[in-house]
This record gives sequence, C-alpha cells and structure tokens, in this order.
Amino acid sequence: DVKVTQSSRYLVKRTGEKVFLECVQDMDHENMFWYRQDPGLGLRLIYFSYDVKMKEKGDIPEGYSVSREKKERFSLILESASTNQTSMYLCASRWDRMNTEAFFGQGTRLTVV
Amino acid sequence: AQKITQTQPGMFVQEKEAVTLDCTYDTSDPSYGLFWYKQPSSGEMIFLIYQGSYDQQNATEGRYSLNFQKARKSANLVISASQLGDSAMYFCAMREDTDKLIFGTGTRLQVFP
Repeated sequence: DVKVTQSSRYLVKRTGEKVFLECVQDMDHENMFWYRQDPGLGLRLIYFSYDVKMKEKGDIPEGYSVSREKKERFSLILESASTNQTSMYLCASRWDRMNTEAFFGQGTRLTVV
Repeated sequence: AQKITQTQPGMFVQEKEAVTLDCTYDTSDPSYGLFWYKQPSSGEMIFLIYQGSYDQQNATEGRYSLNFQKARKSANLVISASQLGDSAMYFCAMREDTDKLIFGTGTRLQVFP
C-alpha cells in the first residue's frame, strides 16, 4: 500500500513563528504536492515538486516556501505564520506517468493564533 | 482564471437514483488527464476514476462513470444507484502537461433514504 505520511495531524502555532510541515512518501514518486483546503474554496495548490530540488509555484505560493532535498520528503515552510494561514494542509504524491492518480496524506489542521 | 469549475456547491439525491456531478475545465495542452476524488467526512481523499484526453471511450469504474465531452471541455461524474455511503465531497481535478495537478472547489453530495 502506498503511504503518504504528514508529520502532524493538528498543529497550533503563534503569529510570526516559522512553521514546518513535513510529508514523506514511501513509493518513490517523482511528483509531490502541497495544497490547502478551505471551505468553499476546494483544494488550492501551493507548490509542487517534480523531482528532487525541483519545485514550481502553484496558485497561492505567497507566504510559503518548500524544500525537497530527498525524493521521499517534501516540506512546506511558513516563514512567518499569519492567522490567514489557518487551514487544512494536504500533501500528495504520484508517479509522473500520464494516468496515475495522486495519493494523499491524512492532512494537517494548522491553527495560527 | 479558474481552470477547473464545479458549479454545484451541493447536490441531493435519493438512494438508488443516479446523480451527475458537473465539472468543466480549461486548458490549451493537448495532453491532460482528468480525475475525480471523493472526500468523506473522515477527511481522506479517495481516488474514483480517471479519463485521459486521448481516451476514446468514457471511463467507468463500477458505479462510477465519467461523461467526457472533449469539445465542450466537460468531465461530469455519474454515480449510478446512489448509496447512503456516497454522501461526501467530490472533487474534480486536472493534470496538465507539466504534471501540475489542480482541483476544483468541490460538490457536496447528500444521499437521502
């Protein structure tokens, strides 16, 4: 079974803190993604990575950065957390073949106070 | 501009009836893929069905079928014989040529007895 694991299920951080969200996959997937999910807005792509050290901005990259030093791990970094970054964060990974689906982690509910 | 549009925020269907969830997309890539995911209240993302842009036939997976109309850029999900367990959020997604995977805003389906 494919496993995508996010480091925390729930996280509470203070405004201005630097926050790291970690995601690890065990299937040697080339592509990895970070989304945030908000009611009524669906899943919005923050960043994605198509290979080690390679990344591309998604639709809402402002206030976020990412790191992919190893193929299995993709980290999302909030440089200075703000209350409007309170959200559910979902990590996903997939092989880069045409018809393969993405597998998702269980999500991290981040609250910034 | 929104690349994946789901115009139905919510849908109701009676058990055992069929229901169609709408999805339209916008891309200039000749090669792309369309996915549908289900997200029950537990929060996990469950892959349902895939359609490739070059596929000649509409995809089917059990009670799920995808009504793919390429000229109209629509990829509607049809669920036949609805069950109470089908109550969930449903997301349409598109993989572009760059391997970027983007999602729509989702449709909440409620199945009633």
